[in-house]
Amino acid sequence: KNQVEQSPQSLIILEGKNCTLQCNYTVSPFSNLRWYKQDTGRGPVSLTIMTFSENTKSNGRYTATLDADTKQSSLHITASQLSDSASYICVVTLPYSGGYNKLIFGAGTRLAVHP
Amino acid sequence: DAGVTQSPTHLIKTRGQQVTLRCSPKSGHDTVSWYQQALGQGPQFIFQYYEEEERQRGNFPDRFSGHQFPNYSSELNVNALLLGDSALYLCASSKGTGNNQPQHFGDGTRLSIL
Repeated sequence: KNQVEQSPQSLIILEGKNCTLQCNYTVSPFSNLRWYKQDTGRGPVSLTIMTFSENTKSNGRYTATLDADTKQSSLHITASQLSDSASYICVVTLPYSGGYNKLIFGAGTRLAVHP
Repeated sequence: DAGVTQSPTHLIKTRGQQVTLRCSPKSGHDTVSWYQQALGQGPQFIFQYYEEEERQRGNFPDRFSGHQFPNYSSELNVNALLLGDSALYLCASSKGTGNNQPQHFGDGTRLSIL
């Protein structure tokens, strides 16, 4: 079973609409939870990083929330733009151990924004 | 300020061959991690290099090996290529190995095995 599950697998929305992507994780404890945006054919780009004690973090039109009790995170995109079309990946970082910080990646949600 | 650069961008090999992929970290970064990303999947951790040593390794066979040079750049070598090795190989760099250090990714090398 994957330690980081994302839903939906894919999503289509119209330009200007809002959307929310979900991330459920079983990893515990963890150091931080990250959301990345990955355009087709490009490497992932960091959107937000939240420690376990943070509830929300914003980056422009992107707002991530974290509920450590339910082990859920969400990424809310406001007033979507065509350039938001990409895969959004949720990543959980395990506590520092053995000189290394291990990242557990979700499979991503593929978002398509249509005009 | 150059970000993470990877070369080549695309590569086609046949089964049984060997391949070397290269990565230059972002300026000021000293830690390099390699990931394999199959189509439609999230990246899978291969290994991480810091101070020219492999610090941690994911669930990949010994056919996957690496190296880090004194200038912090890194290579990923894959021997005896299999069809299943076809993937996007991503390099990520950070300053140190601390948990909250942001990782910066390159755009990857797309490896196709025929």
